[in-house]
Amino acid sequence: EAQVTQNPRYLITVTGKKLTVTCSQNMNHEYMSWYRQDPGLGLRQIYYSMNVEVTDKGDVPEGYKVSRKEKRNFPLILESPSPNQTSLYFCASRSGVFTEAFFGQGTRLTVV
Amino acid sequence: KQEVTQIPAALSVPEGENLVLNCSFTDSAIYNLQWFRQDPGKGLTSLLLIQSSQREQTSGRLNASLDKSSGRSTLYIAASQPGDSATYLCAASTGTASKLTFGTGTRLQVTL
Repeated sequence: EAQVTQNPRYLITVTGKKLTVTCSQNMNHEYMSWYRQDPGLGLRQIYYSMNVEVTDKGDVPEGYKVSRKEKRNFPLILESPSPNQTSLYFCASRSGVFTEAFFGQGTRLTVV
Repeated sequence: KQEVTQIPAALSVPEGENLVLNCSFTDSAIYNLQWFRQDPGKGLTSLLLIQSSQREQTSGRLNASLDKSSGRSTLYIAASQPGDSATYLCAASTGTASKLTFGTGTRLQVTL
């Protein structure tokens, strides 16, 4: 089954404790992205990647890092999480600019 | 910068009614526009993808239209059912890596 898998689904952590949210897709897609969803603000792009070792900032990259060492994986790293990073995070992938985007099930992160 | 607006923010209709959800965007230089459904606590499910060269797409009881010149898209749902209750999001795909810019969604409730 074609899918984008995120882990964990839920995470509560404390300020400053480094964490990684994993994202994996099994569709051999070139493009992958991370979004965060906040009430009243909708989904906003954090980072994106057009292929292995090619990543760039989206609209709200501050406080986040990503890496793309393998085509299928695109982890999101919060090196020193803060309460304003409490949000619902989604990973997405697509094969090209004209194709459908597929989303993971989301990761609800709470930073206390 | 692309901006996407969805009106209304919430809508309640009785079962069986046909309805239209609206989406407008400011930058007509889009690759495509995608409609999603989001259930509470769940991920985004892709409903329809309309390429910039297309006028409409249909899937079952759903029909999406696109008017690039006016910056508008509509999602028509025929014979609504309680199972259609969800938040509907539209996203315009533009720029580098085909970034998705989302509206804040229309929360639909279909009552018995």
